[in-house]
Amino acid sequence: QVQLVESGGGVVQPGGSLRLSCAASGFRFNIFGMHWVRQSPGKGLEWVAYVRYDGGNEKYADSVKGRFTISRDNSKNTLFLQMSGLRAEDTAVYYCAKKFDNDDVFDVWGQGTMVTVSS
Amino acid sequence: EIVLTQSPGTLSLSPGERATLSCRASQSVSSNSLGWYRQKPGQAPTLLIYGASSRATGIPDRFSGSGSGTDFTLTISRLEPEDFAVYYCQQYGSSPFTFGPGTKVDIK
Repeated sequence: QVQLVESGGGVVQPGGSLRLSCAASGFRFNIFGMHWVRQSPGKGLEWVAYVRYDGGNEKYADSVKGRFTISRDNSKNTLFLQMSGLRAEDTAVYYCAKKFDNDDVFDVWGQGTMVTVSS
Repeated sequence: EIVLTQSPGTLSLSPGERATLSCRASQSVSSNSLGWYRQKPGQAPTLLIYGASSRATGIPDRFSGSGSGTDFTLTISRLEPEDFAVYYCQQYGSSPFTFGPGTKVDIK
């Protein structure tokens, strides 16, 4: 079945770095754009970043621009989010999500991985 | 950046009743690029509607979306127990893609 599984979350100190991974299965990963979306504890959803099917056309939310980098390895059906310069306000559950055809809505979501930025 | 506002913040209804949720954008959403999601506690969101009015795969017909420009509506014709959850709208007409703050539908 179509599935996304995130990993790599954890506790990190302010200013630190973390790399999230998202393993995709059950669909042709290399023809779909992919996104990261986050949700702070008890709060709403925030779009974080997007990468096109071929690894190009990266887009970022202003809140993470210059600190986070989205990438993908189509040979391994895996999406990444490299996070650096982490701040307390980056604490959230991070979801990877598949782009639906030509619409930048998210039709498949992972279960999420928790990132906590704290000293 | 397009800011989305959702109303009401909380909607208290009984199973079987009709729910009407509103999403208003700070500027026109191009090509009606507006989606709706349902999020149950402890779960990832589920896509319900895209393109303002198209139901996603497997979504029952009690869910319908309408609207254009800056004003959009999600209607649930008859609430089922699994529909008591939080609903988010999202615009994808321009980057950055943005979500509304959510409407919680709870049991009256």
